[in-house]
Amino acid sequence: DAKTTQPPSMDCAEGRAANLPCNHSTISGNEYVYWYRQIHSQGPQYIIHGLKNNETNEMASLIITEDRKSSTLILPHATLRDTAVYYCIVRAGAGSYQLTFGKGTKLSVIP
Amino acid sequence: GAVVSQHPSWVICKSGTSVKIECRSLDFQATTMFWYRQFPKQSLMLMATSNEGSKATYEQGVEKDKFLINHASLTLSTLTVTSAHPEDSSFYICSATGRGDYEQYFGPGTRLTVT
Repeated sequence: DAKTTQPPSMDCAEGRAANLPCNHSTISGNEYVYWYRQIHSQGPQYIIHGLKNNETNEMASLIITEDRKSSTLILPHATLRDTAVYYCIVRAGAGSYQLTFGKGTKLSVIP
Repeated sequence: GAVVSQHPSWVICKSGTSVKIECRSLDFQATTMFWYRQFPKQSLMLMATSNEGSKATYEQGVEKDKFLINHASLTLSTLTVTSAHPEDSSFYICSATGRGDYEQYFGPGTRLTVT
């Protein structure tokens, strides 16, 4: 699976949008971009995933660049409960279940 | 849907003893379960992958005789840490996937402290 690069930490004011970047320049055509988050001392929580198109669900939006070499996770209105470590993971598509976690981005939402 | 539970949520044991951690899929049949370990301030590291009814596949560097994994049913996998030592103290997390479903659903984790 392709490697990802994320900033180690970010701050965001409560109520503002949090934009978390991820670089995955070696991503191949059949690899998906997944985002998980881990609140302190809990198991990871799935947020969203995408292949080429931008995706949106009730938690977040995922913007993938046209060349697919980077993506941005957007939390539209960050709350204190969104403080967590966010992991961007590139994973092969059909037939591959394994997730390889990097160091992620520690997002701190500030009151 | 897709809820995974772990039991216990935390455990303290003495060095040299064994401890068993259970991972259950509550509302789906888990054909594959994964076990991860996470040390403080570090990321999750995959320890092993188990398919129902088959022997687990361990990642490089993980001792299969020390970390016994059993996936005897489609809803239950267990991880037994044998002859635990203080360096085995960690946060153990399981995840599961269902038949035809490539998503992994994670359990809440088990905090193991070996004294």
